[in-house]
Amino acid sequence: DAGVIQSPRHEVTEMGQEVTLRCKPISGHDYLFWYRQTMMRGLELLIYFNNNVPIDDSGMPEDRFSAKMPNASFSTLKIQPSEPRDSAVYFCASSPGQKNTEAFFGQGTRLTVV
Amino acid sequence: AQTVTQSQPEMSVQEAETVTLSCTYDTSESNYYLFWYKQPPSRQMILVIRQEAYKQQNATENRFSVNFQKAAKSFSLKISDSQLGDTAMYFCAFSSGNTGKLIFGQGTTLQVKP
Repeated sequence: DAGVIQSPRHEVTEMGQEVTLRCKPISGHDYLFWYRQTMMRGLELLIYFNNNVPIDDSGMPEDRFSAKMPNASFSTLKIQPSEPRDSAVYFCASSPGQKNTEAFFGQGTRLTVV
Repeated sequence: AQTVTQSQPEMSVQEAETVTLSCTYDTSESNYYLFWYKQPPSRQMILVIRQEAYKQQNATENRFSVNFQKAAKSFSLKISDSQLGDTAMYFCAFSSGNTGKLIFGQGTTLQVKP
């Protein structure tokens, strides 16, 4: 398997624009996670899915953020409208669940909002 | 709520020497998992080592080993024979249940000097 695949790797956008980050988890993994990494807050969980169903979105900062998982092989994280304080690295990770709790991370998307 | 604390923001070590990174955590759970992840400048999150709380034996992976003190809620990482490629940020992480959801510490930046 190619691992967790995220796109794009880098994104620069202007304030107010819509941004969509994409993730393809490892095939067969039941759990998908979106994390955000910033200097100030470190790595924080935004939302996670189990079998395509959102389980906990309490980490989503505000209504401008939304995440979907229309099928087992694809998820998106959307920010609309984007703001400079959304600048961060966004990671997607997946896990098989059950007895193996190891999470496998994508390479992240560095988002810069100017 | 679970918390993970890494009290050393930065550390350095001479090549071939041994270094220990500290991590403490707080939880009321009895069964959980602890991890150390490495994040080199490429920003890829790489699993270094994992420990299952019900296992008393400390995990080891080649030059990496942990000192797991369950009663003290301490989980330190020892890197032996440090190599230049070990230069990275290291994150301690906690997971309970079977989801793979991780709670991260703030990270420790390790520099290995030649």
